[in-house]
Amino acid sequence: AQTVTQSQPEMSVQEAETVTLSCTYDTSESNYYLFWYKQPPSRQMILVIRQEAYKQQNATENRFSVNFQKAAKSFSLKISDSQLGDTAMYFCALFHQAGTALIFGKGTTLSVSS
Amino acid sequence: GAVVSQHPSWVICKSGTSVKIECRSLDFQATTMFWYRQFPKQSLMLMATSNEGSKATYEQGVEKDKFLINHASLTLSTLTVTSAHPEDSSFYICSARDQETHNEQFFGPGTRLTVL
Repeated sequence: AQTVTQSQPEMSVQEAETVTLSCTYDTSESNYYLFWYKQPPSRQMILVIRQEAYKQQNATENRFSVNFQKAAKSFSLKISDSQLGDTAMYFCALFHQAGTALIFGKGTTLSVSS
Repeated sequence: GAVVSQHPSWVICKSGTSVKIECRSLDFQATTMFWYRQFPKQSLMLMATSNEGSKATYEQGVEKDKFLINHASLTLSTLTVTSAHPEDSSFYICSARDQETHNEQFFGPGTRLTVL
């Protein structure tokens, strides 16, 4: 069975600081994709970053980067220079097969304060 | 980027009535659409997967007779909550997978359903 685990229900960080959100997953597939989604108070799901499992290089999108450890099945998200607009719920997700849905973790609520 | 719309964004209905929620992929064709339910401060719970022209596949514990899903075209899927009750009140989110880029799901803005 495919599972995604986010062990931090809530995190907080000060503006301009760096924060890391943890995610571990389990899959028996060799070809899969990992995602981080952001859900702000508007509740619109926004794709933050994606990683193809076959790529060794960690994905980066501006202030967002991941630390993908395939052997450890770990996929953490680092947010640098945190901004108030980063306040949201963050979901780690796994996709492995066309036609199937994303598998989500339980989410981490991130609060950025000034 | 690909856009998915949902309508209505917010609906209040009386207990016992039925409510239809539409999900449209605006600028791409979606062979597969997904319906999720989300309670406050919780994760998205997959309700069903629908493929264009075929019956939806429901997740365990989801009543197919209560939550009717139709995926009549490559750009439209509908969720009908039949004989709604207060416990059906929730936030419903649809998602569509692009026929071309199979590995990304695009999400609608969600529909907040309140059953009185």
